[in-house]
Amino acid sequence: GENVEQHPSTLSVQEGDSAVIKCTYSDSASNYFPWYKQELGKRPQLIIDIRSNVGEKKDQRIAVTLNKTAKHFSLHITETQPEDSAVYFCAARESSASKIIFGSGTRLSIRP
Amino acid sequence: DADVTQTPRNRITKTGKRIMLECSQTKGHDRMYWYRQDPGLGLRLIYYSFDVKDINKGEISDGYSVSRQAQAKFSLSLESAIPNQTALYFCATSDPGGSYNEQFFGPGTRLTVL
Repeated sequence: GENVEQHPSTLSVQEGDSAVIKCTYSDSASNYFPWYKQELGKRPQLIIDIRSNVGEKKDQRIAVTLNKTAKHFSLHITETQPEDSAVYFCAARESSASKIIFGSGTRLSIRP
Repeated sequence: DADVTQTPRNRITKTGKRIMLECSQTKGHDRMYWYRQDPGLGLRLIYYSFDVKDINKGEISDGYSVSRQAQAKFSLSLESAIPNQTALYFCATSDPGGSYNEQFFGPGTRLTVL
């Protein structure tokens, strides 16, 4: 089955700087890669996703990139703000069973 | 607004007790999931169901069972709770339309097994 690894586990950046979170996956047939944000005490919510036929996708200050050859994908947050502080999860859709496998999460802290 | 709800929100129980966590949704989605969240381990899939007659094991199903009572209801049971089942449990739903399925999570149930 699919295995998703996520790094780093914790990340602290100065407000206004950029943050990058990286993930790798094992199933070369996986075709959908969502990112979820979980604020403290809240439920995870989808913030952006990318499909395997696209290399990059942007939505305002966040972007995702996908390298299918290397089987890795990344989340980029530019001009970070205090409200970006949260736990971020990458995930991959397992091709064989249509279920989502999550990474272990990255706790992002924005320093004022 | 259509939503996913979980009961109870918090529960403390003792080792060996049977406990049931319940999930209901008004989104009209066919697919439902149970995850557990542990610090540093992310969200791990326990069981999932693609329709009322379909039940599938996830990554960590040992010690758990589920029941899909209706399209809108999916319950998770711990037959004999043990301390390492202390975790935050999330129910989620998704719409099978198309090839991609955004997960909509409930608010979570914090379970403590003493």
